[in-house]
Amino acid sequence: EDQVTQSPEALRLQEGESSSLNCSYTVSGLRGLFWYRQDPGKGPEFLFTLYSAGEEKEKERLKATLTKKESFLHITAPKPEDSATYLCAVFNQAGTALIFGKGTTLSVSS
Amino acid sequence: SQTIHQWPATLVQPVGSPLSLECTVEGTSNPNLYWYRQAAGRGLQLLFYSVGIGQISSEVPQNLSASRPQDRQFILSSKKLLLSDSGFYLCAWSYGGANTGELFFGEGSRLTVL
Repeated sequence: EDQVTQSPEALRLQEGESSSLNCSYTVSGLRGLFWYRQDPGKGPEFLFTLYSAGEEKEKERLKATLTKKESFLHITAPKPEDSATYLCAVFNQAGTALIFGKGTTLSVSS
Repeated sequence: SQTIHQWPATLVQPVGSPLSLECTVEGTSNPNLYWYRQAAGRGLQLLFYSVGIGQISSEVPQNLSASRPQDRQFILSSKKLLLSDSGFYLCAWSYGGANTGELFFGEGSRLTVL
């Protein structure tokens, strides 16, 4: 069964304290790995797509990387406005829908 | 630009009552449409998706149903709600054709079943 596991469940950082979030997946024939950001009470917002091992994408203080079994979302010098839940997702076997992980809730304090 | 509207934003319903959540997309044609549910402590769970009018695929057997009466309208319904139906319901769309994985979500509808 296709699965997406994210860790840690929650992460508290001080402003400027860099860290990484992990997303591991078990799906045969990866058709892409996707990162989303979700603010409390809102719908998720698309961040990145990664297609192949070794690929990297960057957006402001966020950088996503992909290996054959997992993806990392690196947050460099985070700010309080980076506080959110970060979700990763992969396509199901049929390629018809995204399977999401439970997310990592990031809190950045000043 | 494209927008997605979802309503109602919140609702509290008794067990056994019916449900209707509505979602509309503007600014695009023939989108793929999705209903997801996010329950406490669980990830986003895909409930239904649609690639066209009247075409509905169900991912999880349950007492919910979906309909797509118009190209950009997606409705989630139930005849009799269960306690386990409580959650945050999200409608999303993607560009028609092959699913690129980039979904655009609505603001969500928070349902509490008592």
